[in-house]
Amino acid sequence: QKEVEQNSGPLSVPEGAIASLNCTYSDRVSQSFFWYRQYSGKSPELIMSIYSNGDKEDGRFTAQLNKASQYVSLLIRDSQPSDSATYLCAVNNGGGGGFKTIFGAGTRLFVKA
Amino acid sequence: ETGVTQTPRHLVMGMTNKKSLKCEQHLGHNAMYWYKQSAKKPLELMFVYSLEERVENNSVPSRFSPECPNSSHLFLHLHTLQPEDSALYLCASSPGTSDLLVQYFGPGTRLTVT
Repeated sequence: QKEVEQNSGPLSVPEGAIASLNCTYSDRVSQSFFWYRQYSGKSPELIMSIYSNGDKEDGRFTAQLNKASQYVSLLIRDSQPSDSATYLCAVNNGGGGGFKTIFGAGTRLFVKA
Repeated sequence: ETGVTQTPRHLVMGMTNKKSLKCEQHLGHNAMYWYKQSAKKPLELMFVYSLEERVENNSVPSRFSPECPNSSHLFLHLHTLQPEDSALYLCASSPGTSDLLVQYFGPGTRLTVT
């Protein structure tokens, strides 16, 4: 079983719609959760971090965490063509001194103008 | 710019060559990381250094040898690589304490082994 699992996509949404990206993880003791965005040919950059159950909103982005279901999601409201990228889910269980963050393979998002 | 730089940006090397990748961070962070990113695969953590001490070594073949001379610089020494080692090698840094795990990535080195 993969430690961090994401649908590879591509997920295609029209401009202005809500894009919903999902991620499941296998380690129940995971404590820290991150969403990174990676444009083609570029390196990952942090979009959101979330540490407790519930929703966390930052502009057009909302991260949702459900530790009981081992599920974390990212919602992008009013999607723009510039949001087209690969979104990486990352999970840290605090083990190994806290430095071992496990990444999913990413979901490719395509926003159609 | 994230404050993490990597050189070279592109590298082509033969299997018998020896080369080094360099990473420098200007953020005052205490932890630095090497990742390998291959097509269609998750980022693979290779090494982590915290305050210049190696704290994570993720079963990486010995043909990859990391070096961290100080908290701002990280090297990855390469020798006798295989074609399957061709990938994007990403360096990252983080503030380093357990509650500050957000990682800032450099632009990466695209490595091709011929």
